[in-house]
Amino acid sequence: AQKVTQAQTEISVVEKEDVTLDCVYETRDTTYYLFWYKQPPSGELVFLIRRNSLDEQNEISGRYSWNFQKSTSSFNFTITASQVVDSAVYFCALSENTGNQFYFGTGTSLTVIP
Amino acid sequence: GAVVSQHPSRVICKSGTSVKIECRSLDFQATTMFWYRQFPKQSLMLMATSNEGSKATYEQGVEKDKFLINHASLTLSTLTVTSAHPEDSSFYICSARNVRQPRDTQYFGPGTRLTVL
Repeated sequence: AQKVTQAQTEISVVEKEDVTLDCVYETRDTTYYLFWYKQPPSGELVFLIRRNSLDEQNEISGRYSWNFQKSTSSFNFTITASQVVDSAVYFCALSENTGNQFYFGTGTSLTVIP
Repeated sequence: GAVVSQHPSRVICKSGTSVKIECRSLDFQATTMFWYRQFPKQSLMLMATSNEGSKATYEQGVEKDKFLINHASLTLSTLTVTSAHPEDSSFYICSARNVRQPRDTQYFGPGTRLTVL
C-alpha cells in the first residue's frame, strides 16, 4: 500500500495564482516526520520542510505555507503568488520512527505559466 | 548545511559494461547511506540501505548481484551497476544520514543520470 499519496499528478497555474499541493500519508507510528522536497529539471532534490508529527502548528516561510492536519493524515503545501521559478516536481515524503527509509509520494508536477 | 556529493553526475555507457557511482558526505560522517532510483516522471524508489562496515540491505525486487553496494568508510558509499543494460538507465540518487543528528535527517546528493546504450 502506498504510504504517501499525492493525488495531483500535474497542475498548471498562471503566475501570481495561489496553488495547493495535496499530500496524504498513512502510518501506524505515533511519531513520524513529514517532508516536502522540490525537484527542478536538474534533478537535485531541494529540501523545503521537515515536520515532526508531535508539532501540529502550521508553518509559513515566505510564499510557502504548510497545513498539517493529523486528523486527516494530510500535510498540504501552498505556494502563494506563484512564480515561474516555482515550476518543478514536488515530492511529499514520510519517515517513520521505526525503520530507516523515506517513503516518497509519486510527486506533483507544477507548471507556472507566465 | 550538510553536503552530499555524487560522482559522476552523468554517465553514458555501452550495454554490458559496469558503472560505479560514488556518494560522499563531505562535511559529516554517515554510518548509513541510502540509494534510490528514479525513472522518468516517477517517484524515488529505495533500492538499498548501505551501512558502513556491513552488507547492504536491499529492497524487495532489487538484485544485489546486479547493484553492488560498498560502504567502506563513514563518508563514502559506492553503487556499481554491473553488466548494465538499457533498462538500467535511470536517475540514481543517494542520501546520507548524519550520525550526530536525528535518525530521520537525511541529506540527498544531486543525483547521477545513467544512460545505457
